[in-house]
Amino acid sequence: QQQVKQSPQSLIVQKGGIPIINCAYENTAFDYFPWYQQFPGKGPALLIAIRPDVSEKKEGRFTISFNKSAKQFSLHIMDSQPGDSATYFCAAYRSNDYKLSFGAGTTVTVRA
Amino acid sequence: NAGVTQTPKFQVLKTGQSMTLQCAQDMNHEYMSWYRQDPGMGLRLIHYSVGAGITDQGEVPNGYNVSRSTTEDFPLRLLSAAPSQTSVYFCASSYIAGRGELFFGEGSRLTVL
Repeated sequence: QQQVKQSPQSLIVQKGGIPIINCAYENTAFDYFPWYQQFPGKGPALLIAIRPDVSEKKEGRFTISFNKSAKQFSLHIMDSQPGDSATYFCAAYRSNDYKLSFGAGTTVTVRA
Repeated sequence: NAGVTQTPKFQVLKTGQSMTLQCAQDMNHEYMSWYRQDPGMGLRLIHYSVGAGITDQGEVPNGYNVSRSTTEDFPLRLLSAAPSQTSVYFCASSYIAGRGELFFGEGSRLTVL
């Protein structure tokens, strides 16, 4: 049973477009929400993270939006580039037992 | 700085065989964990450790064993391999205060025939 639901499974955008990945959770014990980027044949790498008391966070072209009441959060990739083509995972962390749960992943393809 | 090192990168086993996936980190991280990655299922936590001598189960621990005798090493043992354990395995580490901001290894691809 996936504790973090992620959608869509895959998406394709043109260069300069804004891919949006959505995630939702039920367990209110989650208290930190990182996103990971994974290229083929590599391990995931931390991209950006947000606390639930913050509604938005930007790092470069990557923006996280967080809606605590709806228990939803999303990743936007602004001005996407072919080099952003990768699989993206949202995740949720519980400090009380040190567990990090991942969504199923979204494969993003940015066409030149 | 090597970060998180996993060996082997590839392994083929027959059903019933046992093996150990090695993981070492040189960042003095207290927290270490093992995940398996399967298509459409994301990464699922197998076991984790918050320090030497302390281990705990994740979401999918059955068929796997771990120990943490040093801060640096966290091996994952497959006791009797089954085809359902065919997967890519990732080791990850962080400081305890890292709040899920993990450093991952490059992965170990295991095939069980």
